[in-house]
Amino acid sequence: GIQVEQSPPDLILQEGANSTLRCNFSDSVNNLQWFHQNPWGQLINLFYIPSGTKQNGRLSATTVATERYSLLYISSSQTTDSGVYFCADHEWSGGSNYKLTFGKGTLLTVNP
Amino acid sequence: NAGVTQTPKFQVLKTGQSMTLQCAQDMNHEYMSWYRQDPGMGLRLIHYSVGAGITDQGEVPNGYNVSRSTTEDFPLRLLSAAPSQTSVYFCASSFGGGGYTFGSGTRLTVV
Repeated sequence: GIQVEQSPPDLILQEGANSTLRCNFSDSVNNLQWFHQNPWGQLINLFYIPSGTKQNGRLSATTVATERYSLLYISSSQTTDSGVYFCADHEWSGGSNYKLTFGKGTLLTVNP
Repeated sequence: NAGVTQTPKFQVLKTGQSMTLQCAQDMNHEYMSWYRQDPGMGLRLIHYSVGAGITDQGEVPNGYNVSRSTTEDFPLRLLSAAPSQTSVYFCASSFGGGGYTFGSGTRLTVV
């Protein structure tokens, strides 16, 4: 199955700073998604972005499928942005190989 | 629009007890799945379903059963709880593999 690598593993920011999180994958992706897991454990889908660029407020994401990477941009970070950011791809090739494959995540801490 | 609703949020079981984690979605999603999240292991797929009446095993299915009698509901049954099943469990649904929605999770402790 596909391998998903995320960088950096940890990131500490001051409130108001910008950041870029990266996701590299070993094969072509069809259903690339970004999630935020907040400190209370809730997983929120930020973007479904198999290709191209999307923006939602202070967050935007870009996937370059031909080069096998995706970027998540966080601008003017706030303390509520803290948590773990995962990228994941929903892959299916028949049988039991039908799941979201997650990266290990980026732990973001935004200090006031 | 409630999204994906999981109950209970917390549960403590004794070894050998059985229980059912409930999951319901109101988005008419075909695909539903159960994951467990453990420190250092990430999220691992337990079971999934591509529609009512159809279920299949994921990566770590042992000790768990599922059924899908309706589009909306996808309960997860622990047959005989073991301490190794202490974990946080997430139910998720999606339409065609895109735009997954996760429930708020169930924190299960088996003593």
